[in-house]
Amino acid sequence: EPEVTQTPSHQVTQMGQEVILRCVPISNHLYFYWYRQILGQKVEFLVSFYNNEISEKSEIFDDQFSVERPDGSNFTLKIRSTKLEDSAMYFCASSWGTGGAYEQYFGPGTRLTVT
Amino acid sequence: AQSVSQHNHHVILSEAASLELGCNYSYGGTVNLFWYVQYPGQHLQLLLKYFSGDPLVKGIKGFEAEFIKSKFSFNLRKPSVQWSDTAEYFCAVRGTSGTYKYIFGTGTRLKVLA
Repeated sequence: EPEVTQTPSHQVTQMGQEVILRCVPISNHLYFYWYRQILGQKVEFLVSFYNNEISEKSEIFDDQFSVERPDGSNFTLKIRSTKLEDSAMYFCASSWGTGGAYEQYFGPGTRLTVT
Repeated sequence: AQSVSQHNHHVILSEAASLELGCNYSYGGTVNLFWYVQYPGQHLQLLLKYFSGDPLVKGIKGFEAEFIKSKFSFNLRKPSVQWSDTAEYFCAVRGTSGTYKYIFGTGTRLKVLA
């Protein structure tokens, strides 16, 4: 069964550094998402992406964050200057469509630790 | 405000015990509802989903959930848990138009004792 994959599984970075989290969505999916989960808290939506554009973003997704689909397979989340509070598990998801019968498929997550 | 509440944060059961995990949501409009499970070190895996029709939905691994619209609830049930059900369980809601982001609950960590 096709799966969403994410790399790396764990990333440690120093405050102020840029990080790029990578995701390979399921190959025929058209919609892509990032969520994050701070330890002990709920999974929160960050951004959705379709047709090379952001279709929706949350208030968390400020100017420090950006997303890109640099080629036909990868979907990346960049944090320009990391803060301690960016430490979280970041989940990528993809879906073939939106609403209706289309569910999102989640990757295993990247644990980001900012020191 | 749109939100999902999972009242049980930690549940400990013995094998063969019955399970019910509560999920209540607040959302203006028609919703789709989901339960996901996350085994240690693994990705979020869909257990079951409700889009429309029969409010009692059956999922994988013997789980089921009932959508009660009047109570804004979507509780997860399993008649007899196994040690392998030890995991974290997340309830999520999604609107059916305008926005398709998932809103998750805080999760319930289930431990099943052998």
